[in-house]
Amino acid sequence: DGGITQSPKYLFRKEGQNVTLSCEQNLNHDAMYWYRQDPGQGLRLIYYSQIVNDFQKGDIAEGYSVSREKKESFPLTVTSAQKNPTAFYLCASSMGKGKQPQHFGDGTRLSIL
Amino acid sequence: KQEVTQIPAALSVPEGENLVLNCSFTDSAIYNLQWFRQDPGKGLTSLLLIQSSQREQTSGRLNASLDKSSGRSTLYIAASQPGDSATYLCAALEMDSSYKLIFGSGTRLLVRP
Repeated sequence: DGGITQSPKYLFRKEGQNVTLSCEQNLNHDAMYWYRQDPGQGLRLIYYSQIVNDFQKGDIAEGYSVSREKKESFPLTVTSAQKNPTAFYLCASSMGKGKQPQHFGDGTRLSIL
Repeated sequence: KQEVTQIPAALSVPEGENLVLNCSFTDSAIYNLQWFRQDPGKGLTSLLLIQSSQREQTSGRLNASLDKSSGRSTLYIAASQPGDSATYLCAALEMDSSYKLIFGSGTRLLVRP
């Protein structure tokens, strides 16, 4: 059945290391999003993509990078430039360009070793 | 800049009680207002979406209202059950080409048996 798959569920990063979080959707949605959630806080938008081969920075894009080479995939790389990467990362998708409800994956929890 | 606030941050009620969760937003220029549920360590589940032209939406024991002029939305839960225990987040969809969702920090609800 359709949905959004995020992997891995837990990820550990060493100092100076880049790590990539996977997000795959089989809902045939055009738009995809990456959010960061810190304890007791709401979600903050990192990057979003409304169409293949195009993406835009959100409110906290520094230290992160994305690609959108396929409609169903939107991987997020947390680079070594992101000095405080410990957080819960959520991927979402929606029909059209964003007016429809967003569907979320189950998240990836990233921690520093 | 749009800001979304949710009060209270946490709420504990006995089973069977009717309850109201509050959400306020600073800019009334929104496409819609969405309510989500988040269980611990999980992603978000969409509960209700109210278009800017609507006043309320209902789904089962849930009813959400929207008053754009006052910048407020409420989520009403009737006859609460322990299974309703979760964090509830509201989010406003920006009325610009970004179609960004701006989230509140959530209300953590505990329904005691």
